[in-house]
Amino acid sequence: AQSVTQLGSHVSVSEGALVLLRCNYSSSVPPYLFWYVQYPNQGLQLLLKYTTGATLVKGINGFEAEFKKSETSFHLTKPSAHMSDAAEYFCAVSDPEAGANNLFFGTGTRLTVIP
Amino acid sequence: DAGVTQSPTHLIKTRGQHVTLRCSPISGHKSVSWYQQVLGQGPQFIFQYYEKEERGRGNFPDRFSARQFPNYSSELNVNALLLGDSALYLCASSLEDNTEAFFGQGTRLTVV
Repeated sequence: AQSVTQLGSHVSVSEGALVLLRCNYSSSVPPYLFWYVQYPNQGLQLLLKYTTGATLVKGINGFEAEFKKSETSFHLTKPSAHMSDAAEYFCAVSDPEAGANNLFFGTGTRLTVIP
Repeated sequence: DAGVTQSPTHLIKTRGQHVTLRCSPISGHKSVSWYQQVLGQGPQFIFQYYEKEERGRGNFPDRFSARQFPNYSSELNVNALLLGDSALYLCASSLEDNTEAFFGQGTRLTVV
C-alpha cells in the first residue's frame, strides 16, 4: 500500500527566498513519485516526477526534488520564490505495477509568497 | 491541441439524485482516471480505465461507477447522492496505462 505525508499544510516564504516543501512516502515497493501544482479553481499540473534513474529530478518553473530512499522522502525545492509560485502543491506516489495513473496524493501544502 | 476536457464545469444536485460527469481525453490517449477532491484535501483515486477496461478501483462505494467508450471518452456516474459527495471531480488521461497523467479542470459538484 502507498501513502504520502506532506509536512506543513501552509508554508510562507518571502519573494526571492528558498522554497522547501516536504514530502515523505510509504510504499511496499519502489515507488514512482510526483509533485503537482494546483492553482485556484483549476486542475493539477505536473511539476516533476521520479520513476527510475537519477535521484535528483528537475522540473518546470525552476523546481527540483530529490528522491532519498533511506529517508523515504521526496522534498520539493526552488532556490528563489516568485509571486507566481503561490499555489497548492501536492505530492503523490504510485505503484509502478499499477502505473502512473493510480496516484495516491498527500493532503497538500499551500504556498504563500510574501512580496 | 486540446487538453483534457470535462463537462459540466459546475453542477448542483439534490440528495438522492443521480449525476453523470463526462471526460474527453487528449487525442490519442487511451487511459482515463477519475479522482475526487474534497475541499481542503488531496485528490482521491476513484477509477482507472484503459482500452475500455477497468484497470483500477479506489475505496469508493458501489454508488460510484464509470465506463469508457470506444472513442476513449469516459463517464463517471454517482447514484443516490449524499451531501458528502460534494467535491471537485477530476479526470486525467494518459497515452498508455502507465505513462504521465494530464488532468482536466474538473467538475465542481455541489449536493444540497
